[in-house]
Amino acid sequence: DIVLTQSPATLSVSPGERVTLSCRASQSVRSNLAWYQQKPGQAPRLLIYDASTRATGVPARFSGSESGTEFTLTVSSLQSEDFAVYYCQQSNNWPWTFGQGTKVEIK
Amino acid sequence: EVQLVESGGDVLQPGGSLRLSCAASGFTFRTSWMNWVRQDPGTGLAWLSRTSSDGKNVFYVDSVKGRFTISRDNAKNTLYLQMNSLRAEDTAVYYCVTDLIGGVSYWGQGTPVTVSS
Repeated sequence: DIVLTQSPATLSVSPGERVTLSCRASQSVRSNLAWYQQKPGQAPRLLIYDASTRATGVPARFSGSESGTEFTLTVSSLQSEDFAVYYCQQSNNWPWTFGQGTKVEIK
Repeated sequence: EVQLVESGGDVLQPGGSLRLSCAASGFTFRTSWMNWVRQDPGTGLAWLSRTSSDGKNVFYVDSVKGRFTISRDNAKNTLYLQMNSLRAEDTAVYYCVTDLIGGVSYWGQGTPVTVSS
């Protein structure tokens, strides 16, 4: 199975700051990588798919990029509603797999 | 408005069986691939199973293969997950998830399953 390793595990950030989250795949997933946001008590919400395409309704401050097997989710200016856990997920090889998550918390 | 409503979660003993249901509305269910994903505090998120729109192509993660069966009734707009030989490690919240529809992947609210003696 493809292993996705996210870093860091926790990120303490102040509102308004730029945030960069990383996800490394154990082998090529091409561009078949998605990012999800999850808040307490809620289901995950798709933010980015195909590595860099924003899902419908997702604010432009969220962006995704890729370089080989390294993927990045960037939030240009963190808003109060963005404090959450973020997961990456690959859909290149079955079984589809998730990373372990990065928690973005208030500094 | 797309809605996915899971039901059937329960507390049961190891070795038991359970069938989860997911009632779908607001989109063309019969043409959509559908999925089951679970989440537990220990191991995080896991994509368990997916089915083609006609139910003829199904996929399972190894940890549930032979124990869980995904199925659908397109006339009732409902997705199912039959879970047999349940183990403590199957304790989780189970989500019904669509493939991309108009650039969005929809998730239900989840239904909790607890397997404990």
